[in-house]
Amino acid sequence: QVQLVESGGGVVQPGRSLRLSCAASGFTFTGYGMHWVRQAPGKGLEWVAVIWYDGSNKYYGDSVKGRFAISRDISKNTVYLQMNSLRAEDTAVYYCARDNRLLSIDYWGQGTLVTVSS
Amino acid sequence: QSALTQPPSASGSPGQSVTISCTGTSSDVGGYNYVSWYQQHPGKAPKLMISEVSKRPSGVPDRFSGSKSGNTASLTVSGLQAEDEADYYCSSYAGDNNYVVFGGGTKLTVL
Repeated sequence: QVQLVESGGGVVQPGRSLRLSCAASGFTFTGYGMHWVRQAPGKGLEWVAVIWYDGSNKYYGDSVKGRFAISRDISKNTVYLQMNSLRAEDTAVYYCARDNRLLSIDYWGQGTLVTVSS
Repeated sequence: QSALTQPPSASGSPGQSVTISCTGTSSDVGGYNYVSWYQQHPGKAPKLMISEVSKRPSGVPDRFSGSKSGNTASLTVSGLQAEDEADYYCSSYAGDNNYVVFGGGTKLTVL
């Protein structure tokens, strides 16, 4: 069965960096695009980034452009989100998710909480 | 402010039908047939309920249906059940510039 397991969340000071990881299993990793979506406490979903199945294209939400970078390692079946210059408003649960090839997200991880605070 | 506009709340009694709207622009909802709907229960990850405007993934009850007219998409839940009480989010492909945009979410209450 499809499993997506995020890790790397925690408490970080404003301006610092953090890298999230998402280990994927149960499907052919190289056949699917992967997203990061976040949800601030008590708020709605916000799309963060996507990387195509072959890594050839990456797109970002306006609020994270220039600060966050998505990547994937096919040897480890893992997607990463490098987050730099973190701000208090980046505080959220970050979900790793699989694109179903039809621009929908069909599987989600359990999420990892990132708290940006001094 | 979310890119897509949803009503903050909706409600209905068991057995009734309720429709949730999702309004965007010609650059997202109106421009592509890639509207999705997600259900999220408290403390849980979202679940895909509808893709490509009106397609139900395997396992989603046929009580859930989607449609689109112009720049507005809609999710209809028929025969409301207690377990349908949740937050619902729409999303749309928005081209290579914005790629994916979400609505602000609608809290559905089953009275």
